[in-house]
Amino acid sequence: KNQVEQSPQSLIILEGKNCTLQCNYTVSPFSNLRWYKQDTGRGPVSLTIMTFSENTKSNGRYTATLDADTKQSSLHITASQLSDSASYICVVSQMMDSSYKLIFGSGTRLLVRP
Amino acid sequence: DAGVTQSPTHLIKTRGQQVTLRCSPKSGHDTVSWYQQALGQGPQFIFQYYEEEERQRGNFPDRFSGHQFPNYSSELNVNALLLGDSALYLCASSWDRGSSYEQYFGPGTRLTVT
Repeated sequence: KNQVEQSPQSLIILEGKNCTLQCNYTVSPFSNLRWYKQDTGRGPVSLTIMTFSENTKSNGRYTATLDADTKQSSLHITASQLSDSASYICVVSQMMDSSYKLIFGSGTRLLVRP
Repeated sequence: DAGVTQSPTHLIKTRGQQVTLRCSPKSGHDTVSWYQQALGQGPQFIFQYYEEEERQRGNFPDRFSGHQFPNYSSELNVNALLLGDSALYLCASSWDRGSSYEQYFGPGTRLTVT
């Protein structure tokens, strides 16, 4: 079954600290993996996208890693800010004939406290 | 250039009623996907429209239907509303001939069924 599992489900950290979010997937055939940030009640916004051949990609204080062999990804947030409080969703794109299908994880809810 | 827009922002309906949600894709995009996101969960794929036809469909009942217009905008219709249909409905647009990288989400429509 094609699934995307994220951990932890929720996380509370102090402002200025670093944190790492995890994503494991069983999606096949794999096209790419994305991390989205979603503020409460808003649409997801893309942070990073990685293909099979990429094992790390950064976007400011966000750094994503991908191990296609073990089918694991992580999102590392450096020097957290209050505005980082949001849900972070791991999404794997599955190739299907001439199109693709996105499979979403349930997300990690991050709360950054002052 | 406006991104993906959705209307209305919020909607309250009664069980058994019907609802229509609207989405205008990002300029240059021709494919529209609809997702349902329950509180605290990741988005669930409903269906995707391309060239005015439903191309893919997730595990949603026939009460969920859609339409795509020649200008690529799209509607999501839900009949015989149930309390469990209360959710954030997200629209995402992309360009079919591009890679699956290009999928942009709208802000969503919050539907509450009472």
